[in-house]
Amino acid sequence: QLVESGGGLVQPGGSLRLSCAASGFTFSTYEMNWARQAPGKGLEWVSYTSSSGSTRYYADSVKGRFTISRDNAKNSLYLQMNSLRAEDTAVYYCARILCSGGSCYGAFEIWGQGTMVTVSS
Amino acid sequence: QVVLTQSPSASASLGASVKLTCTLSSGHSSYAIAWHQQQPEKGPRYLMKLNSDGSHSKGDGIPDRFSGSSSGAERYLTISSLQFEDEADYYCQTWGTGIRVFGGGTKLTVL
Repeated sequence: QLVESGGGLVQPGGSLRLSCAASGFTFSTYEMNWARQAPGKGLEWVSYTSSSGSTRYYADSVKGRFTISRDNAKNSLYLQMNSLRAEDTAVYYCARILCSGGSCYGAFEIWGQGTMVTVSS
Repeated sequence: QVVLTQSPSASASLGASVKLTCTLSSGHSSYAIAWHQQQPEKGPRYLMKLNSDGSHSKGDGIPDRFSGSSSGAERYLTISSLQFEDEADYYCQTWGTGIRVFGGGTKLTVL
C-alpha cells in the first residue's frame, strides 16, 4: 500500500514537500516513481528513483525544480517541489514498479490514492 | 524518444467487446507496455504488462474479461462482456533508460 500526503495550496514560486508512506512490501528493494495528473488531463510521469536512491530521473517539465528522495529506513518516498508554477497544479501519485519472476520492469504496479497540489495566488 | 499514441475515445455496448489500441512510435516496436485503468474520481489501477510478442501478465484481481495482444508497434487491450464499471479512462505506459511515458489515454463509454 502507498499513501501520499503533503499536498495543499501554495503560491506561485513557493515550495512543497510531498511524502509517500509504503507498507506491505520490502520498500528498500523497489524502484519508485512520482506521476501527476492535472485537472481534466492525462497522466504524466514526473520522477524516478532507484531502490538505493543513487539514480534519479526527471521529466523535462520539472528538471531543476523538483527533487526525488527516499528514506528506506522509514519506508518513505519524497518529492521536494520548488519554484512551483500554476501548471504544476495536479494530483500527485507515487507508484511502485512491477517485479515478477525475479525481474523488475518499469511498469507501475502499485499506485497510491494521490494528493492534490494547487498552485495559485 | 518513445511516444505512445491512443485514440481519445471509444464506445461499446453493455455485454459487447471492445479493443483499445496503443501505438508505439517508430523504432520502438519491441517495447513492452503496461495498461492502466482509471475509473471516474479514482486513482489509476494497474491492469497488465504486455510484451511485444503478445504475452501478458495481469495484476492481482483483474478479471479474465481483460486481455492483451500485440502486432508490430501496436499494443491492444481487449475487454469482453463489457460492464458499466468498465467505463473509465485507459492509459498505456512504457519505460526506457531515464524515462517513463504515458499515452494520452482513451475514454471508454459503455452504452
